Amino acid sequence: RKEVEQDPGPFNVPEGATVAFNCTYSNSASQSFFWYRQDCRKEPKLLMSVYSSGNEDGRFTAQLNRASQYISLLIRDSKLSDSATYLCVVSPTGANNLFFGTGTRLTVIP
Amino acid sequence: GAVVSQHPSRVICKSGTSVKIECRSLDFQATTMFWYRQFPKQSLMLMATSNEGSKATYEQGVEKDKFLINHASLTLSTLTVTSAHPEDSSFYICSAHGTGKEPQHFGDGTRLSIL
Repeated sequence: RKEVEQDPGPFNVPEGATVAFNCTYSNSASQSFFWYRQDCRKEPKLLMSVYSSGNEDGRFTAQLNRASQYISLLIRDSKLSDSATYLCVVSPTGANNLFFGTGTRLTVIP
Repeated sequence: GAVVSQHPSRVICKSGTSVKIECRSLDFQATTMFWYRQFPKQSLMLMATSNEGSKATYEQGVEKDKFLINHASLTLSTLTVTSAHPEDSSFYICSAHGTGKEPQHFGDGTRLSIL
């Protein structure tokens, strides 16, 4: 079983739409959770950390459900520039050990 | 903020060639660096953890004699793909232990194509 599983998509949504991505992880002892964004042929960049209480950064909202081992990312009012692959990342022990999902590809259409 | 530089960004070479990729931390000291590989439409997979002044720790299934890692200083780690073959063609990304909120800072990546 993979450490981190994501729906690969693709998700094609119109500008202004709200879109949600989900992710599950297998290690119940995991401590840290992140969403990264990766543009085509580029390195991944941290979008936001995910906290137990849920957290919001502008149009982006991340939530964590430890009981279900489930992480989500909600993007409101999608922009063309949001088109990218979104990677769910889990760390069982902290920053030294990151496990990446395969990513969910998002295309925002004009 | 902290930056990790990776060089070269793109390599195309013949089968059998050895290729060296450099990863530098530009404004901080990195005792630990990480090397990842990403095949098309797949997730980043950790290959090895590079420790300054000691041997690298390789993940299961990664051949240490094929992927030579040297971490000779606090700001530089190198990955050498020895006798590269077409199946080694991939996107190789390094990272260093993060500062602040970021768990790891990633380099720009090296796209390796073996003909």
